Order: sequence, then structure tokens, then C-alpha cells
Amino acid sequence: KNQVEQSPQSLIILEGKNCTLQCNYTVSPFSNLRWYKQDTGRGPVSLTIMTFSENTKSNGRYTATLDADTKQSSLHITASQLSDSASYICVVSLNTGFQKLVFGTGTRLLVSP
Amino acid sequence: DAGVIQSPRHEVTEMGQEVTLRCKPISGHDYLFWYRQTMMRGLELLIYFNNNVPIDDSGMPEDRFSAKMPNASFSTLKIQPSEPRDSAVYFCASSPRDRGTEAFFGQGTRLTVV
Repeated sequence: KNQVEQSPQSLIILEGKNCTLQCNYTVSPFSNLRWYKQDTGRGPVSLTIMTFSENTKSNGRYTATLDADTKQSSLHITASQLSDSASYICVVSLNTGFQKLVFGTGTRLLVSP
Repeated sequence: DAGVIQSPRHEVTEMGQEVTLRCKPISGHDYLFWYRQTMMRGLELLIYFNNNVPIDDSGMPEDRFSAKMPNASFSTLKIQPSEPRDSAVYFCASSPRDRGTEAFFGQGTRLTVV
């Protein structure tokens, strides 16, 4: 069964600290993996996309990694800011046709001052 | 471009009533999607259109749900009759043909059925 599991479910960190969010997937055939950020009351916004051959991709203070062998991805946030408080959703695309997506349920991050 | 525009932002209705959610995609995008988000199940794809034609509606939960896209700039998601378990945030998203799987989301409609 195609699944995407994220951990932790929720996380509280102090402003300025780093954190890492995890995503494990059992999706096949794999096409790509995206991390979305969803602010409260808003729609998700794509942060990064990674294909099978990519190990690391950065977007400012966000760095995503992908290990296609172990089917794991992580999103590392450096020097967290209050505006990083949001839900982070891992989405894996199947290579079976357009928009065959499997969504994780997200990690809720709260950055505390 | 103003992005994907959804209306209303909030909807409260009584069980059994008809509910219509509206979406205006980003101009020039070929694909339009309707998603539902709940705390328990996260984001779920309900249906998507390509060039105004419904391609995959396997995510539509029941016959009570229907979606239309009469033209490239407008889509509706209708629930008739509505039930309390339909309470969720409904997102519309659109995507250009050459951006693969990146969807640009609207701000959502929070539906509460009492």
C-alpha cells in the first residue's frame, strides 16, 4: 500500500534553534517528493522538489534530503524563525501518471520566542 | 496574478442543505484540483480536471459530491445533501502543464455542517 508517514506529529522549538522533520514513504513507482509548508488558514506552498537522483536540495534556511534506497526524506530548518511556525507536508508522486500523489498528514511546527 | 481564488472562505450550513464551493484558477494553468483536508486524514485529492475535462474523480467520496468546470477560469464543487462528516477545509489548486506535480493552492473554504 502506498503510504507516506511523517514524524514527529508536532514539534515545539525555541526561536533560533534548528530542527529536522522526517518523512518515510512506501510509494512505488517513485517519481518525486515535495515538501510543502502550510501556514494556518492558508493553502500549502511548495518548498522543494526532489527526484530520484537528488540527495539534497536547499531553499534558503530549508534543506531537504532524500535517500531513495531507504525511502526516507528529511527537511532541516536552520536558525528557526517565528514565521516558520506552520505545518510541513511531505508529498510523494507516483510515476504512473500525472498527479498521482500520496500525502503525509504533516508535522505541526511551533517556533516559540 | 492574484493566485487561485476560492469563495466563500467560510461556510456554515445545516445538514441536508446544498453547498457550492467556487474556484478561479490561475490564468493559463491547464490543471485544476479539488482537495479536502481534515485533521484525521490530512489532504485528499477529490477530483482533477485537465483543460476543463474531469480526468480522475476516484477521490470523490460519494454521489453527494459533484464538480464542474464549465470554462478555464471557473470551477465548482457541490455537496448535496450535506452531512456533518463533510465538515473540512476544501482547497482548490491549479497547475501549469510544464510544472509537473507542483500545485498552487487557494486559501481554502472552511465548511462546517451542523
